[in-house]
Amino acid sequence: DAGVIQSPRHEVTEMGQEVTLRCKPISGHDYLFWYRQTMMRGLELLIYFNNNVPIDDSGMPEDRFSAKMPNASFSTLKIQPSEPRDSAVYFCASSPGYPDTQYFGPGTRLTVL
Amino acid sequence: KQEVTQIPAALSVPEGENLVLNCSFTDSAIYNLQWFRQDPGKGLTSLLLIQSSQREQTSGRLNASLDKSSGRSTLYIAASQPGDSATYLCALANAGGTSYGKLTFGQGTILTVHP
Repeated sequence: DAGVIQSPRHEVTEMGQEVTLRCKPISGHDYLFWYRQTMMRGLELLIYFNNNVPIDDSGMPEDRFSAKMPNASFSTLKIQPSEPRDSAVYFCASSPGYPDTQYFGPGTRLTVL
Repeated sequence: KQEVTQIPAALSVPEGENLVLNCSFTDSAIYNLQWFRQDPGKGLTSLLLIQSSQREQTSGRLNASLDKSSGRSTLYIAASQPGDSATYLCALANAGGTSYGKLTFGQGTILTVHP
């Protein structure tokens, strides 16, 4: 299996622009998670899905953030409009069960200028 | 609210040494505890998962222990190698309430093993 796939790996954008991060979970995993990692706050859970349905989005920082999972093999995290304080590494992870071992993607490093 | 602390923040050792990384947590109501490894510019790799009913787990040169009563976990690495250099994070899955199953991460320990 290719593992969790994220794209792009790096994204540099200007403040106010829309940013879309993409994730393909491991096939057969029913749970998908979006995390954000910064030096100041460490790793934080933003939202997670079960069978494509959002279960808990209490970690989403603001209404500027939205996440979707239209099918079992694809999810997006969108930031609109982006701000410099959104600069971070965003990870997607999937797991076969809950709570269970989570398998992380390589992350997307987002820089908002 | 669960708080997870990892000590030390950074550790540098010569190759071949046995070492211990520490993780402490404030709420013992956990479902499981995981140790992850993170290499620079990469995602996290799960190393070991200990269920709340277990005391330890072993994988190769790695051994993780869990003591819920004292709110502590340790990751023991035997005969360290330069390839072990990475950041090690512990994460706890909360056992109840609205946080059920959510992972709370420590800040990590940066390990450097020099030849």
